[in-house]
Amino acid sequence: QVTLKESGPVLVKPTETLTLTCTVSGFSLSNARMGVSWIRQPPGKALEWLAHIFSNDEKSYSTSLKSRLTISKDTSKSQVVLTMTNMDPVDTATYYCARIPRGELFPFDYWGQGTLVTVSS
Amino acid sequence: EIVMMQSPATLSVSPGERATLSCRASQSVSSNLAWYQQKPGQAPRLLIYGASTRATGIPARFSGSGSGTEFTLTISSLQSEDFAVYYCQQYNNWPLFGGGTKVEIK
Repeated sequence: QVTLKESGPVLVKPTETLTLTCTVSGFSLSNARMGVSWIRQPPGKALEWLAHIFSNDEKSYSTSLKSRLTISKDTSKSQVVLTMTNMDPVDTATYYCARIPRGELFPFDYWGQGTLVTVSS
Repeated sequence: EIVMMQSPATLSVSPGERATLSCRASQSVSSNLAWYQQKPGQAPRLLIYGASTRATGIPARFSGSGSGTEFTLTISSLQSEDFAVYYCQQYNNWPLFGGGTKVEIK
């Protein structure tokens, strides 16, 4: 059974760095062409892709947020970590991780439940 | 930069009726287009990929069509559990979602 679960702080202060962890089960991050993305959704708004990382350690970032994002993985722990620097109230959103099973030209087939992050002083 | 536009923003439909949702890309995305369903408080669920292939476990009343820049999601006979927000997403380049269509009960 494939599952993904996000974890991290529910509240961060402006200018702080956010660190989120996605723990996966039911598949391996080392499987060929396997990837995990981070996607966010501000309250009442649409989905926004942030970054992804693949089994070969290839990484890509949203053009608009690239300077603030870092994605990494620990295959032995089945975890993908996203850091976002210089948080602002507009970054308040539910953050999801999602699986990409067959390389970049494939959509997200399994999603985590999401974690709501609020940015406020 | 690609832009994904969905229409209408809100669609009011009676149970049992057909719903037709549109998604337009500002440039060709080939058939690298997916549709997701999202209910309140839940993560999105993959419905359609490759513009027209139903994901595992998705009922046959959901169908997708189109290629290039124009895509359609059709729900042939709306059930109560189908009232939700639907997003299209292109994955021909960096993943990009449309703004969503809310399907509500008429």
